[in-house]
Amino acid sequence: EPEVTQTPSHQVTQMGQEVILRCVPISNHLYFYWYRQILGQKVEFLVSFYNNEISEKSEIFDDQFSVERPDGSNFTLKIRSTKLEDSAMYFCASTESEGNTIYFGEGSWLTVV
Amino acid sequence: GNSVTQMEGPVTLSEEAFLTINCTYTATGYPSLFWYVQYPGEGLQLLLKATKADDKGSNKGFEATYRKETTSFHLEKGSVQVSDSAVYFCALILPPLGFQKLVFGTGTRLLVSP
Repeated sequence: EPEVTQTPSHQVTQMGQEVILRCVPISNHLYFYWYRQILGQKVEFLVSFYNNEISEKSEIFDDQFSVERPDGSNFTLKIRSTKLEDSAMYFCASTESEGNTIYFGEGSWLTVV
Repeated sequence: GNSVTQMEGPVTLSEEAFLTINCTYTATGYPSLFWYVQYPGEGLQLLLKATKADDKGSNKGFEATYRKETTSFHLEKGSVQVSDSAVYFCALILPPLGFQKLVFGTGTRLLVSP
């Protein structure tokens, strides 16, 4: 079965450093998402992306965050200057079209020290 | 606002026991409801869904019924297996479905012992 893949599975970074989390969505999917889960808290929506632009973002997704689909296959989340509170599991997701099942990756666990 | 509340875990059961994980929601419209499962080391997988009141979603022996009157979508299974040990997330999407922003609960960890 096709799957969403994410790298790295775990990254430790120092506060203030830039981090890029990578995702390869399922190949025929058109809608892409990032969610995150801080340990012990809810899975939260960060951003949705369609037709090469952000379609919606949450209040969490401030100027420190950006997303990109640089080459038609990868979908990346960049955190420009990480803070301790950015430590979380970040999930990438994709779906073929509106109303279809959203498929999630295994997550990238980010630890900011 | 729109939110999902799940029972706190972990839920610890013996194999073949009956499982209920409670989920209630608050929504401004008529949401579609979902249960996702995360097995150890894996991503979130859709387990089942229901898109309107009184619908029952079912998969792999799990069931949940969309109860509009109680704003609930409790997950049940008649006889759990060790392989069901995972974290279960209740979630909703509000129409219109465009861009499908899921609102999740905190997740409930299920531990099934032999």
